[in-house]
This record gives sequence, C-alpha cells and structure tokens, in this order.
Amino acid sequence: QQPVQSPQAVILREGEDAVINCSSSKALYSVHWYRQKHGEAPVFLMILLKGGEQKGHEKISASFNEKKQQSSLYLTASQLSYSGTYFCGTESGSGNTGKLIFGQGTTLQVKP
Amino acid sequence: NAGVTQTPKFQVLKTGQSMTLQCAQDMNHEYMSWYRQDPGMGLRLIHYSVGAGITDQGEVPNGYNVSRSTTEDFPLRLLSAAPSQTSVYFCASSYGRWSQPQHFGDGTRLSIL
Repeated sequence: QQPVQSPQAVILREGEDAVINCSSSKALYSVHWYRQKHGEAPVFLMILLKGGEQKGHEKISASFNEKKQQSSLYLTASQLSYSGTYFCGTESGSGNTGKLIFGQGTTLQVKP
Repeated sequence: NAGVTQTPKFQVLKTGQSMTLQCAQDMNHEYMSWYRQDPGMGLRLIHYSVGAGITDQGEVPNGYNVSRSTTEDFPLRLLSAAPSQTSVYFCASSYGRWSQPQHFGDGTRLSIL
C-alpha cells in the first residue's frame, strides 16, 4: 500500500520554506526521500531509519515519527534548484526486504 | 562505472506484442527493482529481486515477468503488451544491506498503440 504524501503540489518564492509530509498505514522500518527533475531519474536525498536521528544537510532536512508512521521533509530558504517532484519511499516491517514502496509525489515549484 | 543502464530508452509497440526491457548494473548490488511511473501515480513497484535467482512481486506485477540469473542483469518482460502498460519504466539497484539508497537508471519510455 502506497504511503500518502501531502501536499500534492507547492508553489514557493525563492527564500521561502516548505514542508512535505509522508504518511503510512504500516509500521515502518525506514523512509527514503528522492527528488526528480522533469524528464530525469529520481535522485536520492536521504534515508531515515527507525530509531535514528533527524537527518539533513544544509537547508534540506527530514524527520521520522515512528509512532505515527510519518516522515516530513523540510526545505529551508528554497532555491530555484529545489524545483522538482519529491517522493518518499517506505520500507515496512523489520527492514532489509529490498522492497521500497513510493508515494505519489509532491510537485514543488520555486519561482524567482 | 556506468551505474544502472537501461535499454532501450524509447520503444513503441503494438498491442499484443512482447518485448524485454533490459537493466544492467556494474556496482555489484544485490537488490534490484523495476518501477513504472504514470502521471499522478508516483513510482509503483512491479517486481524486485534480493539476489541472483530470487525475485518477488511488487504492487503491480500483472502482465510482467522477471528473472535474475546474474547479479548484474534484471530484465523485465512484457508478455502481451496492452495500452495500459504505456508508461516510463525505471530500474533501480542498491546494496543488499539495511536500507541503502537506490540508484536509478535513466528510464525507458514505452508507448503501446
């Protein structure tokens, strides 16, 4: 069962912040985040593991609430290069299954 | 390293035809997966493999077959193409350890008339 992402689309001005949420009905072992530019392949951003800490680098970070089976991706002081579609991918159960299920995506557009 | 290589990049088929989408990786990754991407649907898992000789079904396996005879290759076969299988297909691979990043190929754009 696909995780649910919200919102479906976001439009920002440069410098504004955004939060993208990912929610699952299953107990999660890990949450992955990827970004895809139009016409390109998805590119890995970060992984959050059950029991792990909030991750991030520079202005993109993420959190994982194991009790609620939710993850959030935080984009701070957005840049034009942040535009694209963001996908969360979830791995359920005890992990190490090789089975990653993706959400439907959130389209982010950053305007000058 | 070439990473994950998918061939062909584009393909047009007629309904009822069969074909194989090729996927090869040179990173010695144990895990490989096939996804299809349709507008508004995100990436949906078709089949995946955790090693040579081991495959399993994903979310949308009907109409597709896979096999994994080597670590490097993971072909996806369309048995009898249908217009509903028009999509962009991505192959991905990762190390066979706890939750490793997936590396994606550039995709195959498939149209079925």
